[in-house]
Amino acid sequence: GAVVSQHPSRVICKSGTSVKIECRSLDFQATTMFWYRQFPKQSLMLMATSNEGSKATYEQGVEKDKFLINHASLTLSTLTVTSAHPEDSSFYICSAILPRSSYNEQFFGPGTRLTVL
Amino acid sequence: QKEVEQNSGPLSVPEGAIASLNCTYSDRVSQSFFWYRQYSGKSPELIMSIYSNGDKEDGRFTAQLNKASQYVSLLIRDSQPSDSATYLCAVISSGSARQLTFGSGTQLTVLP
Repeated sequence: GAVVSQHPSRVICKSGTSVKIECRSLDFQATTMFWYRQFPKQSLMLMATSNEGSKATYEQGVEKDKFLINHASLTLSTLTVTSAHPEDSSFYICSAILPRSSYNEQFFGPGTRLTVL
Repeated sequence: QKEVEQNSGPLSVPEGAIASLNCTYSDRVSQSFFWYRQYSGKSPELIMSIYSNGDKEDGRFTAQLNKASQYVSLLIRDSQPSDSATYLCAVISSGSARQLTFGSGTQLTVLP
């Protein structure tokens, strides 16, 4: 069964609004979660590494003030897209590493499809 | 820059055939290698992981790793139309804080 959930699965919003996406680990504690973005016909691009109890680590070129990440508990990380614009429309996917994984296998949530009008 | 390269395809095979997907990586000290399957509109699903040289089999899937050649492959035996998807090769490189580096993916179509 699924080990990582995301909510919402799909969101449509107007330009200028903020959108929050939740990523939850199911039945396990995830000290580290990852946030990815995927545009059509492209591979996954890592946006940031979310660390429980500390600031997220952002990849080069990702605006930390636009993509706010909060990892306030061991089972929940949130990504907030602030002042969203049409170019932010994409498929956002989170992942987590199972604590019992010896080789850091990442399991992905089902993704959130964001459309900004 | 650490890179993972895959043939983008598309790759088409008839039902029942063996599909062979290939991946090369640039970081010689990479330790962990993964194959993910991604159906259109869905998130990636982990189907194989391999860490040691040689073959690893799981059902119809076989992953092959050759660290000397910096090459990892995925074989799908008795391919089914339901195997039609994009297959992503991913690597955890040295010093990457457990981050995955993905290839661009290979689109596989299994023809009935």
